[in-house]
Amino acid sequence: AQKITQTQPGMFVQEKEAVTLDCTYDTSDPSYGLFWYKQPSSGEMIFLIYQGSYDQQNATEGRYSLNFQKARKSANLVISASQLGDSAMYFCAMREGRSGSEKLVFGKGTKLTVNP
Amino acid sequence: KAGVTQTPRYLIKTRGQQVTLSCSPISGHRSVSWYQQTPGQGLQFLFEYFSETQRNKGNFPGRFSGRQFSNSRSEMNVSTLELGDSALYLCASSQKAWGSSPLHFGNGTRLTVT
Repeated sequence: AQKITQTQPGMFVQEKEAVTLDCTYDTSDPSYGLFWYKQPSSGEMIFLIYQGSYDQQNATEGRYSLNFQKARKSANLVISASQLGDSAMYFCAMREGRSGSEKLVFGKGTKLTVNP
Repeated sequence: KAGVTQTPRYLIKTRGQQVTLSCSPISGHRSVSWYQQTPGQGLQFLFEYFSETQRNKGNFPGRFSGRQFSNSRSEMNVSTLELGDSALYLCASSQKAWGSSPLHFGNGTRLTVT
């Protein structure tokens, strides 16, 4: 069974508008962390935002925020005021506490295109 | 602070050959992980090292191996290359042994097997 599901293979958004990228996860571990990464065409994976399973508040980092709904096991990424440079692949990933390691399990990704 | 450095950026090999990829983590980072990225399988975990010890290994054949040196630099080796090994290989480092610290990735090594 997939542990991270990203149901949107591709998304389009107009410049300056907000966009939400979906991510659902599956784990029985009470301790876990959720990450979002951006991968431009150059290939480098860029860390965007982190949410811990015990965090009470939704994480925010500049224009990025994470809509964390624990009961629904969803961790959607919200990008506000989209910019042309936001066009890239976006990956949701999870780290489980019981793994005792840094291992991340990634979703298949969402390709975001920002239109001028 | 310099980021994660992977060398080489591009490699072309033929089936049956072996290849060694190198990764220098961010200074002070002791944990290094390797991932394989392909269009079909996405990002898959290969292995993870911490203080020269392999802590975790993904579901890959024994042809894939790695090691970490005392300065935290890491290498991964693929022997008897197959066409399906063509992929982007990403190395990542992190500061803590676990927790909220994110993985910081390098630009990757794009391996093409012909």
